[in-house]
Amino acid sequence: QVQLVQSGAEVKRPGASMKVSCTASGYIFTNYDINWVRQAPGQGPEWMGWMNPNSGKSGSLQKFQDRLSMTRDTSANTAYLELSGLRFDDTAVYYCARNPWGTYGLFDFWGQGTRVTVSS
Amino acid sequence: QSTLTQPPSASGTPGQRVLISCSGSISNVGTNTVNWYQQVPGAAPRLLIHSDNQRPSGVPDRFSASKSGTSASLAITGLQSEDEADYYCAPWDDSLNGVVFGGGTKLTVL
Repeated sequence: QVQLVQSGAEVKRPGASMKVSCTASGYIFTNYDINWVRQAPGQGPEWMGWMNPNSGKSGSLQKFQDRLSMTRDTSANTAYLELSGLRFDDTAVYYCARNPWGTYGLFDFWGQGTRVTVSS
Repeated sequence: QSTLTQPPSASGTPGQRVLISCSGSISNVGTNTVNWYQQVPGAAPRLLIHSDNQRPSGVPDRFSASKSGTSASLAITGLQSEDEADYYCAPWDDSLNGVVFGGGTKLTVL
């Protein structure tokens, strides 16, 4: 069965960087894009960006572009989200989600989420 | 504040029909397909409807959706207690060049 398993919770200081992993199983990793969505406490989801694990090509919301990096290790079927220059308002649960090629906003499987807390 | 407007809350009694709206613009709902997600507390969102009105396998046919112009709506018939959750619409937005989520509607089953 399709599964996306994410790394564990993190606590970071303001200005630090975070790196969340998302390991896929049950399907061909390079056949689907991986998207990243975050959800601040009490708020709705916020889409951050997408990555094609086959080519490594990615795209993200403009608000994140200067501090967001999405990478992958195809040998480990794992995608990574790295966010630098952390601020208090980056505190959120970060999700990876799979989306079929050629679709937009269609996330059919999700990771369990990784809670990231930015605190001094 | 989302560029998509959803009512913050909705409610109904078991067996009733509930409608949740999602109002957008030409750059999102008006041009691109709408997906709907259900989220219960403490869990990841779950795909409920994709491509405006398509149900993934495993989603009961009590859930349906439609779209007209720059507005979309999700209908739940035969309301059940397990339907109590937050619901989000999510189309692509050509202006943002990304996916936008609605503000969410909290459904309460009375």
